[in-house]
Amino acid sequence: KQEVTQIPAALSVPEGENLVLNCSFTDSAIYNLQWFRQDPGKGLTSLLLIQSSQREQTSGRLNASLDKSSGRSTLYIAASQPGDSATYLCAVQDSGYSTLTFGKGTMLLVSP
Amino acid sequence: NAGVTQTPKFQVLKTGQSMTLQCAQDMNHNSMYWYRQDPGMGLRLIYYSASEGTTDKGEVPNGYNVSRLNKREFSLRLESAAPSQTSVYFCASSEKWAGNQPQHFGDGTRLSIL
Repeated sequence: KQEVTQIPAALSVPEGENLVLNCSFTDSAIYNLQWFRQDPGKGLTSLLLIQSSQREQTSGRLNASLDKSSGRSTLYIAASQPGDSATYLCAVQDSGYSTLTFGKGTMLLVSP
Repeated sequence: NAGVTQTPKFQVLKTGQSMTLQCAQDMNHNSMYWYRQDPGMGLRLIYYSASEGTTDKGEVPNGYNVSRLNKREFSLRLESAAPSQTSVYFCASSEKWAGNQPQHFGDGTRLSIL
């Protein structure tokens, strides 16, 4: 059974820092990996989707990388802002069909 | 566009009561999902509907039933609520069942069972 782990569970940084969130998965035979953002009391917002054949995806200040062979993905946030404060979740899709296995998330706090 | 809309946003039930959580999407998506989110457990899939007219069990289906009423609507029913079903419930949708499809989530229903 696929297991997804996110480290650290919580992270606090001052505004302006570049930071990296980590995600690891136990079964490397994935179809894609997705990063989501969750604001308090809200649902999940899709940030980036990396297909299994891709190494990375970028959207604005966000860059996600994927190393299937080692079972790892990282989400890089450049020049962090207080508005980036949220919980970030990664999820893997194991097959061509759209069921996801989620990690427990990293809670990020960016202080002004 | 509203995206995925869930009702109600909050609900308190007594053990043994029944209720239905409603979900509707306005993106013409084919696939819909119900998750629960518990502290320390992450999101777990309860049921999903790959397309209109089909439903299947996810990881934690016990104690729940679903109905895909039409392409837009997917409801989750608790027949006899138990305290273990206290959770935040999320509905999601995706354009297709197969392939690289990001899922779009509603804002959740916070359910407390006493």
